[in-house]
Amino acid sequence: AQSVSQHNHHVILSEAASLELGCNYSYGGTVNLFWYVQYPGQHLQLLLKYFSGDPLVKGIKGFEAEFIKSKFSFNLRKPSVQWSDTAEYFCAVISTMDSNYQLIWGAGTKLIIKP
Amino acid sequence: DTGVSQNPRHKITKRGQNVTFRCDPISEHNRLYWYRQTLGQGPEFLTYFQNEAQLEKSRLLSDRFSAERPKGSFSTLEIQRTEQGDSAMYLCASSFDILRGYTFGSGTRLTVV
Repeated sequence: AQSVSQHNHHVILSEAASLELGCNYSYGGTVNLFWYVQYPGQHLQLLLKYFSGDPLVKGIKGFEAEFIKSKFSFNLRKPSVQWSDTAEYFCAVISTMDSNYQLIWGAGTKLIIKP
Repeated sequence: DTGVSQNPRHKITKRGQNVTFRCDPISEHNRLYWYRQTLGQGPEFLTYFQNEAQLEKSRLLSDRFSAERPKGSFSTLEIQRTEQGDSAMYLCASSFDILRGYTFGSGTRLTVV
């Protein structure tokens, strides 16, 4: 079955630490990949996306993600986190074979940054 | 345009009652999606409209759930005979061009007591 896995459900870091959140998917065909962020009490916001081209994509607020096709991965990174990055992060995938462009979501990773 | 709007923000209802939620998408977006999100989980797909046509429904959407988008603009999601297991955040998202991703509303949090 098609699925998206986020390995860490909870991550706690100190400010200025580096961040990497894992995301793996199980689709065999061409995929479009997304990271969404949900700050406490707010709606889901698009952080970054990958469709084609350079596998290293840069998003808002200093985040970036690297698509590694051979590993079916799209890990999210940030060199130095801030307290304001405390949020829940979701990886999501669209299979280009799905004409309805339905997003398939990971379970999310709750990130807590200690000041 | 202020984005995707959902009403109400919160709804508390007694088990067995019917509830209806509304979603106003971004005006030029022809695709509209409903998702459900429970604590500790990613959003689960419920249903999808392209303009006024409902093109896909999840198996999660039992016959107690119905969604409409009568004029291809706003959409409503109705849950009949609510159960405690229906308690969740109901999210609406819209899109015109998937290359730009989806825009989500703030959601309607349903609590069935």
